[in-house]
Amino acid sequence: EPEVTQTPSHQVTQMGQEVILRCVPISNHLYFYWYRQILGQKVEFLVSFYNNEISEKSEIFDDQFSVERPDGSNFTLKIRSTKLEDSAMYFCASSAYISRQVYGYTFGSGTRLTVV
Amino acid sequence: KNEVEQSPQNLTAQEGEFITINCSYSVGISALHWLQQHPGGGIVSLFMLSSGKKKHGRLIATINIQEKHSSLHITASHPRDSAVYICAVLYSGGGADGLTFGKGTHLIIQP
Repeated sequence: EPEVTQTPSHQVTQMGQEVILRCVPISNHLYFYWYRQILGQKVEFLVSFYNNEISEKSEIFDDQFSVERPDGSNFTLKIRSTKLEDSAMYFCASSAYISRQVYGYTFGSGTRLTVV
Repeated sequence: KNEVEQSPQNLTAQEGEFITINCSYSVGISALHWLQQHPGGGIVSLFMLSSGKKKHGRLIATINIQEKHSSLHITASHPRDSAVYICAVLYSGGGADGLTFGKGTHLIIQP
C-alpha cells in the first residue's frame, strides 16, 4: 500500500536553530499538508499546499514557518528559529482530490521534534 | 469556533465487548475521518465518510449529516484494538482545507 514517508523520525535541536522536516507524499497525490501534535494535546492543522503554493494556513503557521516542494517528490517544512514550544510531533499528509471529493488521505508516521 | 467533540474521552472494556465512540461537530462538513493513533504516535486512517455507513472488518462507521454526528463501532473487541481513536472533519469549502481534529478517545481493551 502506498505510504507517506517522513524523515527524520526524531530530531533534537537547540533553541534558535533552523530545522527542516522532510516528507515524501504518495506519488499521484497533489494535495499536501503539515499538522502538529504537542504532547498530550490534539492534532492541529498547520498548512496545506497545492500546485506549488500554500492553499490554506492556520494561525499557528506564522513567519517562522515555511513550506517548499523543492523537487518532484519531496515536501518540506522549515522552522527558521526554533522555540521550546515548537517541540511536538509533526505529521505530513497527502491526498488526491477528484470531482470535488478528497480521496486517499494518508498520514506519515511523524517526526518527533524536541527543542532544548 | 468550529469544534469537534468526542465522547467518551477514556474507555476501558473487556475483550469481546461492543464498543461505541461518538463524534459531534458544529457546522456543515464535506467529509469526516476516523483515525487510529497507537502509542508510537503514527496516525492511520480508518474511514472517510460523507454520508451513510462504512464497514471494514470489525469496524463500522456511521454518520448522520442532519444531526452532525458520527459513531465508530468496534465489534468483538480485542486487546490489539487498544489505541486512541480520533475523529477529524473537513469543513465545507475546498479540497485543500485542513482537517479539524477532536481530542481523541483513549480505548483500552483488557483481556
